Amino acid sequence: DIVLTQTPLSLSVTPGQPASISCKSSESLLHTNGKTYLYWYLQKPGQSPQLLIYDVSSRFSGVPDRFSGSGSETDFTLKISRVEAEDVGVYYCMQGIHLPPWTFGQGTKVEIK
Amino acid sequence: QVQLVQSGSDLREPGASVKLSCKASGYTFTKYPMNWVRQAPGQGLEWMGWINTDTGNPSYGQAFTGRFVFSLDTSVNTAYLEISSLKTEDIAVYYCATGPLWGQGTLVTVSS
Repeated sequence: DIVLTQTPLSLSVTPGQPASISCKSSESLLHTNGKTYLYWYLQKPGQSPQLLIYDVSSRFSGVPDRFSGSGSETDFTLKISRVEAEDVGVYYCMQGIHLPPWTFGQGTKVEIK
Repeated sequence: QVQLVQSGSDLREPGASVKLSCKASGYTFTKYPMNWVRQAPGQGLEWMGWINTDTGNPSYGQAFTGRFVFSLDTSVNTAYLEISSLKTEDIAVYYCATGPLWGQGTLVTVSS
């Protein structure tokens, strides 16, 4: 199975400052159809995970533009340009190319300083 | 409204069974597979498997064979997860999910 490794595992950010999370895959997530099936989710405290980014860099409906995704094949990054208080929670990367199974990273906990 | 609504929290004794439900609305139920994801207390997300909502064919993750069964009732747009021979290590929140749409989760507690 594919392994997704996130770094860092925790992050404390001052409001208004940027934040970045890395996700490295043990195998390429590039499909033969040209798409790369890497997703980013945010799980806010006490809530279900919510999709932020799909296909590496596409923002899901309603996601603020301070969130951006980048990367290719095995190395991916989620960036928050200016962290806000509502961004606290655990961020997960997830792959959807090598099925089964879905595979999640370990999660990165983001808190506000 | 497009949503997945899961059944409420459940408390069972060790060795018992539990059947969780996940009711879909606002979209064509049989068009997308339904996944199940487990989250143990304080832990990350673990994919359990999925069920083809068109054919009813389930597929289980390696750690979820034997005591876990996915099923459907397409007449009421509902997916089910049944766990038998419950153990304390089954204590978790169980989510159903299809694509970007997730249910609110069901907490299963196992205690005598």
